[in-house]
Amino acid sequence: GAGVSQSPRYKVAKRGQDVALRCDPISGHVSLFWYQQALGQGPEFLTYFQNEAQLDKSGLPSDRFFAERPEGSVSTLKIQRTQQEDSAVYLCASSSDRVAFFGQGTRLTVV
Amino acid sequence: QKEVEQDPGPLSVPEGAIVSLNCTYSNSAFQYFMWYRQYSRKGPELLMYTYSSGNKEDGRFTAQVDKSSKYISLFIRDSQPSDSATYLCAMSYPPGQNFVFGPGTRLSVLP
Repeated sequence: GAGVSQSPRYKVAKRGQDVALRCDPISGHVSLFWYQQALGQGPEFLTYFQNEAQLDKSGLPSDRFFAERPEGSVSTLKIQRTQQEDSAVYLCASSSDRVAFFGQGTRLTVV
Repeated sequence: QKEVEQDPGPLSVPEGAIVSLNCTYSNSAFQYFMWYRQYSRKGPELLMYTYSSGNKEDGRFTAQVDKSSKYISLFIRDSQPSDSATYLCAMSYPPGQNFVFGPGTRLSVLP
């Protein structure tokens, strides 16, 4: 595709529910990033993949957060037992070398 | 202290004004410097990127990097109401592997 695609665009989850957010990066981009963006804040790093290898997951806020990219293309961010503080926009970005290109994000609301 | 600092605004200017947006950073290893524009409920869109110190111009936009002062700027000439958005600075090192964002400056250009 022409750009980074994320789905769903909006997700409402009941507290305690598991959610899965999908990212389809720009074709051929080796690097893939997940960010969390709270209202009025800049994106905060969650995790980074180079192909299928997860090289950095230092930003994941708890062990309820898990990300995978099994074939080095599409990635899924999974949040288990969602809490209200998980409500945010989750952004995916991909990069071929110098700069990152973002998707439109998934707005997660936990009620 | 955050790695990247940015005045959150909001900044309101009349149409046609010159806008100056700025970021400071603490990590002297950063090599690539980017500016993103983010409209409400959209993902960040890459505006410009520069490598190391110097200036780069693209239409009404000029990006400046002063590595000695750890200070970057984005100038917008002849600002338009359509420029109203949040502007995020970002920087990376190693290239393409670690992108760190400022909190963003919210800009309103009034007709």
